[in-house]
Amino acid sequence: EVQLVESGGGLVQPGGSLRLSCAASGFTFSSYSMNWVRQAPGKGLEWVSYISSSSSTIKYADSAKGRFTISRDKAKNSLYLQMNSLRDEDSAVYYCAREYSSSSGKGLDVWGQGTTVTVSS
Amino acid sequence: EIVMTQSPATLSASPGEGATLSCRASQTISSNLAWYQQKPGQAPRLLIYGASTRATGVPARFSGSGSGTEFTLTINSLQSEDFAVYYCQQYNNWPLTFGGGTKVEIK
Repeated sequence: EVQLVESGGGLVQPGGSLRLSCAASGFTFSSYSMNWVRQAPGKGLEWVSYISSSSSTIKYADSAKGRFTISRDKAKNSLYLQMNSLRDEDSAVYYCAREYSSSSGKGLDVWGQGTTVTVSS
Repeated sequence: EIVMTQSPATLSASPGEGATLSCRASQTISSNLAWYQQKPGQAPRLLIYGASTRATGVPARFSGSGSGTEFTLTINSLQSEDFAVYYCQQYNNWPLTFGGGTKVEIK
């Protein structure tokens, strides 16, 4: 079964750090680009970061630039998001999502169940 | 940044009826658009990519159309499981951006 499982969320004070993990199984992780997408309580979806299959291309939303770092480990079939200098507005459910790409287009076709990050004093 | 605007914010319909959801991009994105469905407490599900190609396992009652800046998701004969929030997303330019969502609720 194709699966993504996030972990690492929790309660953190403003200015603190967290490292999110996403464990992939059921597919060849090293062949796919991956993303982090977040959703604040009661709000819509917000893309956070992207990493290509080889890690050669990395992109961030402006809200994440300079504070978040995306990475991946082929040997562990895992995706990571290191989040520093956290702010109240970073509170959200964080999803990892696989990018599907074909000649017909692209989409985020496999999502994890999400991990909740709460930034509060 | 490309701004994606969805309308209406809420659509009320009865089971069996059709539904038409709109998505507008602030600049042309060719056909580089995807649609997602999200139910409460669940992760989003990819429905459509390339503006009109159904993802694996998506019922034929879902169809997407449009190109450039105007896009439509059509749901023919709403089923009980279709009542959810729908998001469009462009992947033409970085950053990837989502629309604000359309909630399809039972009338």
